[in-house]
Amino acid sequence: DTEVTQTPKHLVMGMTNKKSLKCEQHMGHRAMYWYKQKAKKPPELMFVYSYEKLSINESVPSRFSPECPNSSLLNLHLHALQPEDSALYLCASSHQVTGGDTEAFFGQGTRLTVV
Amino acid sequence: AQSVSQHNHHVILSEAASLELGCNYSYGGTVNLFWYVQYPGQHLQLLLKYFSGDPLVKGIKGFEAEFIKSKFSFNLRKPSVQWSDTAEYFCAVYGGSQGNLIFGKGTKLSVKP
Repeated sequence: DTEVTQTPKHLVMGMTNKKSLKCEQHMGHRAMYWYKQKAKKPPELMFVYSYEKLSINESVPSRFSPECPNSSLLNLHLHALQPEDSALYLCASSHQVTGGDTEAFFGQGTRLTVV
Repeated sequence: AQSVSQHNHHVILSEAASLELGCNYSYGGTVNLFWYVQYPGQHLQLLLKYFSGDPLVKGIKGFEAEFIKSKFSFNLRKPSVQWSDTAEYFCAVYGGSQGNLIFGKGTKLSVKP
């Protein structure tokens, strides 16, 4: 199994809603990532988890809250988002974050629309 | 901090033409280098990667890339493109000790049949 699975595929939420994005991998990877991709732009790194600990937060606003319950799961909790947060949110995983195989496998993404 | 530059924003080629997409990176330490492709409406897929060893790496679908350390470059090549290669191509660099996989701005490739 070489897949990273993200749910839901599409999400529409109001600015006062609370929602969560979910990501799962069963490749035994110990590093997991959240990226944000706006239309016609490259993915922008948001968070990195290594061995279930947050190792990078790229100055992301607190309305985005990541969580890594175990080595296979990664969540992104959303609260009080703005319309400009509408984007494709990508999850990725890799064996590790340094020193070896850092090839990242990407999920299909969650298309988020904030209304 | 590392950065990645892709020089071509949009490349238009006819089928069977040769392709070379430029990628330069800025980072002083050991890097891992990648090219990803994103077909319209689809997720990112890995074309090829370089960790160490032979600087000429071959990937899927006939793509190859050459790592030139002295030039901080990792250019993507394909001898003969097909209409199905129409996509967005991203160069990415992995450096540091914490997990910074940083993408270039991307190059849109349009292949005319």
